[in-house]
Amino acid sequence: DGGITQSPKYLFRKEGQNVTLSCEQNLNHDAMYWYRQDPGQGLRLIYYSQIVNDFQKGDIAEGYSVSREKKESFPLTVTSAQKNPTAFYLCASSSGPNYGYTFGSGTRLTVV
Amino acid sequence: GENVEQHPSTLSVQEGDSAVIKCTYSDSASNYFPWYKQELGKGPQLIIDIRSNVGEKKDQRIAVTLNKTAKHFSLHITETQPEDSAVYFCAANYNTNAGKSTFGDGTTLTVKP
Repeated sequence: DGGITQSPKYLFRKEGQNVTLSCEQNLNHDAMYWYRQDPGQGLRLIYYSQIVNDFQKGDIAEGYSVSREKKESFPLTVTSAQKNPTAFYLCASSSGPNYGYTFGSGTRLTVV
Repeated sequence: GENVEQHPSTLSVQEGDSAVIKCTYSDSASNYFPWYKQELGKGPQLIIDIRSNVGEKKDQRIAVTLNKTAKHFSLHITETQPEDSAVYFCAANYNTNAGKSTFGDGTTLTVKP
């Protein structure tokens, strides 16, 4: 079955640690996105990539980094510079600008 | 940039009634408007979408309408069922913007049996 796989489902981070969230898709989509969701709020764009080896900052990129070395993979690193990282992180992909997203099942990150 | 406002934030209806969720957008260049349903602990799922050259689209019990002049679009769910209970998000895209979606803040729909 085609889809997007995010791992892990739950992640706990200590203060000062960097952590990496995995996102893999087998839909052959060029575009991939990372969104952050906080309780009772909409989705805010962190980073996006339209093609391999290219990515752009979204609205809340500070404290995050990404890479796009393969079409299928778009990992997100939450660095120690992100002051409030506790949130639900969603990865998505799309076949083009006028098509909807396919979302992964999300990773819930908690700072301990 | 684009700004999307969504109302109401919560909506409670009796099973079998209709539910309507409304969104407004700010950028007249937006031309694609998807709607997503998110169940607890899961990622959002695309349920219906509409492009700017269409005024209305239906898919069984779900319909979406678009008023480009007023810059608003709405989701209509008829004959609601308890399994329709979820958070619904509207979004707006424009194709010169790399397919980035700007989302509304969501509507929590509760359908009472």
